[in-house]
Amino acid sequence: NAGVTQTPKFQVLKTGQSMTLQCAQDMNHNSMYWYRQDPGMGLRLIYYSASEGTTDKGEVPNGYNVSRLNKREFSLRLESAAPSQTSVYFCASSRQSYEQYFGPGTRLTVT
Amino acid sequence: QKEVEQDPGPLSVPEGAIVSLNCTYSNSAFQYFMWYRQYSRKGPELLMYTYSSGNKEDGRFTAQVDKSSKYISLFIRDSQPSDSATYLCAMKGNYQLIWGAGTKLIIKP
Repeated sequence: NAGVTQTPKFQVLKTGQSMTLQCAQDMNHNSMYWYRQDPGMGLRLIYYSASEGTTDKGEVPNGYNVSRLNKREFSLRLESAAPSQTSVYFCASSRQSYEQYFGPGTRLTVT
Repeated sequence: QKEVEQDPGPLSVPEGAIVSLNCTYSNSAFQYFMWYRQYSRKGPELLMYTYSSGNKEDGRFTAQVDKSSKYISLFIRDSQPSDSATYLCAMKGNYQLIWGAGTKLIIKP
């Protein structure tokens, strides 16, 4: 039982490049989330998916897109990376929204 | 003003001390109050949650919610070096979780 897995663990991009962050969960949860974590800012919700086939914007969606591929997988895409998107990205899943299970994170640097 | 305020610390205490971590909030619609623990370079993990007001105890950890003051606390008794981590409070009303910035706690052996 791996819980929530994320790939890659680290990534360095140049400004303007694109990439997709992958997330998968094996807990049969309906809801999945993408957060970014910056020093002094706490966790900020980028997008979430309450169930397979639905996605909604969170607090900071600009510059990102998501795909809920199936119940297990939820990907986050940066179409044209900017230095302001340098951050640690966490994927999470939940059955009840207050009890979220997090992946290990992806450390992204945009130069 | 942020909806949830949390002192970032760091808070450094000797092993065995009682630790008090706190958050204040402004939205009276919040009903669920959570504490997550995050070790360095790891994802957060749920420590405890409380629905509405009151206290909840789990081993060395006690969570307290005072809705009249819009103030929540996490107490850690007999603190251990393994408790060194960042503690994030989170709250939920009708929608998604709103997070505090996290308090970095250091327990000195």
